[in-house]
Amino acid sequence: KQEVTQIPAALSVPEGENLVLNCSFTDSAIYNLQWFRQDPGKGLTSLLLIQSSQREQTSGRLNASLDKSSGRSTLYIAASQPGDSATYLCAVRRTGNTGKLIFGQGTTLQVKP
Amino acid sequence: NAGVTQTPKFQVLKTGQSMTLQCAQDMNHNSMYWYRQDPGMGLRLIYYSASEGTTDKGEVPNGYNVSRLNKREFSLRLESAAPSQTSVYFCASREDSGANVLTFGAGSRLTVL
Repeated sequence: KQEVTQIPAALSVPEGENLVLNCSFTDSAIYNLQWFRQDPGKGLTSLLLIQSSQREQTSGRLNASLDKSSGRSTLYIAASQPGDSATYLCAVRRTGNTGKLIFGQGTTLQVKP
Repeated sequence: NAGVTQTPKFQVLKTGQSMTLQCAQDMNHNSMYWYRQDPGMGLRLIYYSASEGTTDKGEVPNGYNVSRLNKREFSLRLESAAPSQTSVYFCASREDSGANVLTFGAGSRLTVL
């Protein structure tokens, strides 16, 4: 059974710091991995999606990496800003055509001015 | 574009009452999903629909029914609400080609007294 874990559950950093959020999964037979952002009381917004054949994806100050063999993904946020404060979730899509995602419980990030 | 639209945003029910959560997407996606999000549990898949006319159970289907009315709409019904169904419910749809990104609605917060 695929399990997805995100550590730490919460993180507080000063503005301007570079930071890394971690996501680990138990079954390396994945189709892709997706990182989401969730603001309090809101839905999920897709940030980056990495296909199983890719090693990383970048969007602006965000960089996500994928290492299937070790069952790990990281989300790197450069020069963090207070507006980055949110909960970040990773989700793994299994191989096959159902498209079902298994979510981690998220890391809640606070960036202090 | 509206993306994924959920109604209602908030609902309070008494135990035993029934209700339907509505979801519609305007992106011409085949696949649609219903998740619930609970503190400490992350997002869990209730039901999904790979195409119009088909539905399948996810991780936590008990107490729920779904209808894929047409390609745009996917509704979730609680026939006899229980306090354990107090949660935030998210509908999502997935693009069928390309990056297969999952797009979420804003959520429906349900309280069962």
